[in-house]
Amino acid sequence: DSGVTQTPKHLITATGQRVTLRCSPRSGDLSVYWYQQSLDQGLQFLIQYYNGEERAKGNILERFSAQQFPDLHSELNLSSLELGDSALYFCASSVVGGASGTQYFGPGTRLTVL
Amino acid sequence: AQSVTQPDIHITVSEGASLELRCNYSYGATPYLFWYVQSPGQGLQLLLKYFSGDTLVQGIKGFEAEFKRSQSSFNLRKPSVHWSDAAEYFCAVGVGGENNDMRFGAGTRLTVKP
Repeated sequence: DSGVTQTPKHLITATGQRVTLRCSPRSGDLSVYWYQQSLDQGLQFLIQYYNGEERAKGNILERFSAQQFPDLHSELNLSSLELGDSALYFCASSVVGGASGTQYFGPGTRLTVL
Repeated sequence: AQSVTQPDIHITVSEGASLELRCNYSYGATPYLFWYVQSPGQGLQLLLKYFSGDTLVQGIKGFEAEFKRSQSSFNLRKPSVHWSDAAEYFCAVGVGGENNDMRFGAGTRLTVKP
């Protein structure tokens, strides 16, 4: 158990819908990262937050957005969902926000878009 | 651009045999290097990491990795594989200074034969 929690574990929805994935980092970690894992794209970095502020952006679509709240939990919002958005979405957290910060991963949310 | 290559998509070894998983990176400076393991249906667990210093790094579960700057490699090794080591292994490089833009390889799936 990494100490990072993600809800829900599974999510099934339809194309065009909007969903919200939630992540609670390990106690004391200030930085939260979101990743998408799919069969064709592999593990892709989406976005990073550090202490409430956006720190880095990766391959995140404009239909996707995220935020980190004052209690440091984070939410990833996915809208206008398409079949290709079906994937495992991981959240990770680390104490520091730099490249040396070891990231601890949550168990993931499996999103299925029908 | 920074990248990570894991040349072997799938490796099969017999239980008790030695293991080496290859990882090559492309990055201008000395990167932060990581190996993660993902068991089916689970999140990623950190096996070991290299930041600086001794180029041979010891990790959990009996794994070790060696950083070779001249070959831009960070191969993962284990002297004797156990059936429980069957999983997917990801090499990752942390780049970006203050921003932890971590890039992952495509992964190597390890199958262990009895």
